[in-house]
Amino acid sequence: GENVEQHPSTLSVQEGDSAVIKCTYSDSASNYFPWYKQELGKGPQLIIDIRSNVGEKKDQRIAVTLNKTAKHFSLHITETQPEDSAVYFCAAWNFGNEKLTFGTGTRLTIIP
Amino acid sequence: GAVVSQHPSRVICKSGTSVKIECRSLDFQATTMFWYRQFPKQSLMLMATSNEGSKATYEQGVEKDKFLINHASLTLSTLTVTSAHPEDSSFYICSAIQGGNEKLFFGSGTQLSVL
Repeated sequence: GENVEQHPSTLSVQEGDSAVIKCTYSDSASNYFPWYKQELGKGPQLIIDIRSNVGEKKDQRIAVTLNKTAKHFSLHITETQPEDSAVYFCAAWNFGNEKLTFGTGTRLTIIP
Repeated sequence: GAVVSQHPSRVICKSGTSVKIECRSLDFQATTMFWYRQFPKQSLMLMATSNEGSKATYEQGVEKDKFLINHASLTLSTLTVTSAHPEDSSFYICSAIQGGNEKLFFGSGTQLSVL
């Protein structure tokens, strides 16, 4: 089955600086890669996603890059703000078997 | 994005009782919903896949007689924790696939505490 590794597990960034979270996946059949933000006591919120036919996608301060050959994808948050503090999960999805496999999560802390 | 509503957000029950958690897709029809369990500071663990009108598919190690899943309509799936015990205390989260764009949206989660 799919295996998704996520690094780092914790990340502290000064407000205004950029944050990068990286994930690797094992199943070359995975074709959809969403990123979720989870705040304490709440469900994951979809913040950005990318499909396997695209190499990069950007939405305001958030961007995701995908390298299919190397099987890794990354989340980039620029101009970080205190409200960006949360746990971020990457995931890999194989539409063929409808299995969404999560990474282990990154606790991002923005230091004011 | 699409809205998935989950209720209750928090429930405390006595050991031996049953608890039902509801998951609704508010603005789209979801033929497939998923139920996850999450322990503190850990990732989400898939428990089962719920398909409208058919039996749920449970992941290995998940007791289907303990975690009853019903997906009777295209907008509602329920998870019933039967004869709950303290070890069932956890954060339960549902999700639903929005057809067409094939995106997965999550409910707000239910914190279950069994005394």
